[in-house]
Amino acid sequence: EAQVTQNPRYLITVTGKKLTVTCSQNMNHEYMSWYRQDPGLGLRQIYYSMNVEVTDKGDVPEGYKVSRKEKRNFPLILESPSPNQTSLYFCASSFGGQKNIQYFGAGTRLSVL
Amino acid sequence: RKEVEQDPGPFNVPEGATVAFNCTYSNSASQSFFWYRQDCRKEPKLLMSVYSSGNEDGRFTAQLNRASQYISLLIRDSKLSDSATYLCVVNSPTGGFKTIFGAGTRLFVKA
Repeated sequence: EAQVTQNPRYLITVTGKKLTVTCSQNMNHEYMSWYRQDPGLGLRQIYYSMNVEVTDKGDVPEGYKVSRKEKRNFPLILESPSPNQTSLYFCASSFGGQKNIQYFGAGTRLSVL
Repeated sequence: RKEVEQDPGPFNVPEGATVAFNCTYSNSASQSFFWYRQDCRKEPKLLMSVYSSGNEDGRFTAQLNRASQYISLLIRDSKLSDSATYLCVVNSPTGGFKTIFGAGTRLFVKA
């Protein structure tokens, strides 16, 4: 089954404790992206990657890191989480290009205390 | 001004009603347009692409007006299961693959 898999689905952590949210896709997509969704603000792009070893900042990259060592995986790293990073996070993938129809993971609900 | 703007709603309509949503975008060079549907805090899923000639998928019709820079979604004969948030999505040529999501329009269909 074609899918984008995120883990964990739910996470409660404390300020400053490093965490990683994993994202994996099995559709051989070149393009992967991380978004956060907050009430009233919609989906905002954090980072994206157009291919292996190619990553770039989205609209809200501060406090986040990513890596793309393999085509299928695109982990999101919070080196020192803060309460303002409490949010719902989505990973997405696509073939890119002009159409760029994206397929989303089920989301990770993160709370930073 | 936001790059993609939508009326947040909520739109409360009875079953069987026809409802329309509009969305405006600011970048005239935007190349492709979509409507996604998102159920309560679940992942967004593609509803339909939007073409200049307009396109229809069952009870759903999407239109693009490039001159006025807006897209629309019309839902006919609303069902309870149509209750969701509808996201307007625009692909901009900026940065190669920039996808911009509107904040969404909430629809509640009531019996």
